[in-house]
Amino acid sequence: KAGVTQTPRYLIKTRGQQVTLSCSPISGHRSVSWYQQTPGQGLQFLFEYFSETQRNKGNFPGRFSGRQFSNSRSEMNVSTLELGDSALYLCASTLGESPAYNEQFFGPGTRLTVL
Amino acid sequence: GENVEQHPSTLSVQEGDSAVIKCTYSDSASNYFPWYKQELGKGPQLIIDIRSNVGEKKDQRIAVTLNKTAKHFSLHITETQPEDSAVYFCAATYGGSQGNLIFGKGTKLSVKP
Repeated sequence: KAGVTQTPRYLIKTRGQQVTLSCSPISGHRSVSWYQQTPGQGLQFLFEYFSETQRNKGNFPGRFSGRQFSNSRSEMNVSTLELGDSALYLCASTLGESPAYNEQFFGPGTRLTVL
Repeated sequence: GENVEQHPSTLSVQEGDSAVIKCTYSDSASNYFPWYKQELGKGPQLIIDIRSNVGEKKDQRIAVTLNKTAKHFSLHITETQPEDSAVYFCAATYGGSQGNLIFGKGTKLSVKP
């Protein structure tokens, strides 16, 4: 069974640009969560989608947005990039309805560098 | 806001020794506490979890203990091996069944042969 895939794996952008990251969950998983990982802050929750609906959102500015498609694939978008957005962006999918109580399967992440 | 504190941030042990990582959480409603291991270049992977109706859980060389009164839980790794070297994250639920996880900031474990 294929794991969670994320594309692209690496991305370099300049300040002010926007970026879209993609995540394909494990087949059959309907919940997708996104996290930002930085050396100083660990994993910080961005948002979670279930059946195309955003159910939870972390404490990030409105420049961070996402969506989920009917096949459970998800994208996240960051507009007007800032230097501080440089991070590893991780996507995780969950088989059960609640990512709060079931194992989350993480992808390898997208490494975003903002210059 | 809700928070999970994790200590230590780095831990170095000799192969064969034990390693202990401790976490405290703030949301008294939290009732699921997973531990994830992240190897270099990979996403985190669940290694063990515990639910609030259980005080201790063991899986081979790995064990987790939970003290709900004190709001802290710990990961214990015995007979450490070089392949245990990785970053370990604890997490706790918040927001109930419709919520998500809050992660600690991680512990970098180095096991010296």
